[in-house]
Amino acid sequence: DIVMTQSPATLSVSPGERATLSCRASQSIRSNLAWYQQKPGQAPSLLIYAASSRATGIPARFSGSGSGTEFTLTITSLQSEDSAVYYCQQYHDWPPATFGQGTRLEIK
Amino acid sequence: EVQLVQSGAEVKKPGESLKISCKASGYILNSHWIAWVRQMPGKGLEWMGIIYPGDSDTRYSPSFQGRVTISVDKSINTAYLQWDGLRASDTAMYYCARCSSQQLVNWFDSWGQGTLVTVSS
Repeated sequence: DIVMTQSPATLSVSPGERATLSCRASQSIRSNLAWYQQKPGQAPSLLIYAASSRATGIPARFSGSGSGTEFTLTITSLQSEDSAVYYCQQYHDWPPATFGQGTRLEIK
Repeated sequence: EVQLVQSGAEVKKPGESLKISCKASGYILNSHWIAWVRQMPGKGLEWMGIIYPGDSDTRYSPSFQGRVTISVDKSINTAYLQWDGLRASDTAMYYCARCSSQQLVNWFDSWGQGTLVTVSS
């Protein structure tokens, strides 16, 4: 299985600042990576697919980058509503199409 | 509008059987893979397995192979996740999710609301 490793586990950032979340794959997954946001008590929802394409309705404050084994989710102008757990997922090699363990983003 | 609506919360005893459902609407069920994802209490997301309703091609994560069965009833646009002998360690929230592109296993663009399964004696 491809192992997805996210860092940091928890990130605390002030409103209006920038958050940078990392995701590393244990082998190359090209650009076959998605990012999801999960708020407390809710199902996950799609943010980014194909490493850098925003899903429908996702504001431009959210951006994804990377390819191969190193990926980044950047959220600018942080708002309180961005407080959530963020997961990366590879779909390059399956089964299983593995998820990272998540990064909890706290807005100070 | 694409919607996945899951069946309600369940409380079961160890050893019992269970089948939970995921009803799709707003698109043609046959054309998109549907997956099941586990989230244990306070933990992350785990990809369990996936089914292509068009031909019932089903693949499992090695971690879940033999423990669960994924199936589909195209006539009622519904996918299922089934256990034949529940364990306390099966206590979790279970989500169904739809792959975005037709015929491809890729990212999930729609998720069900989740079904909480509690297994306790």
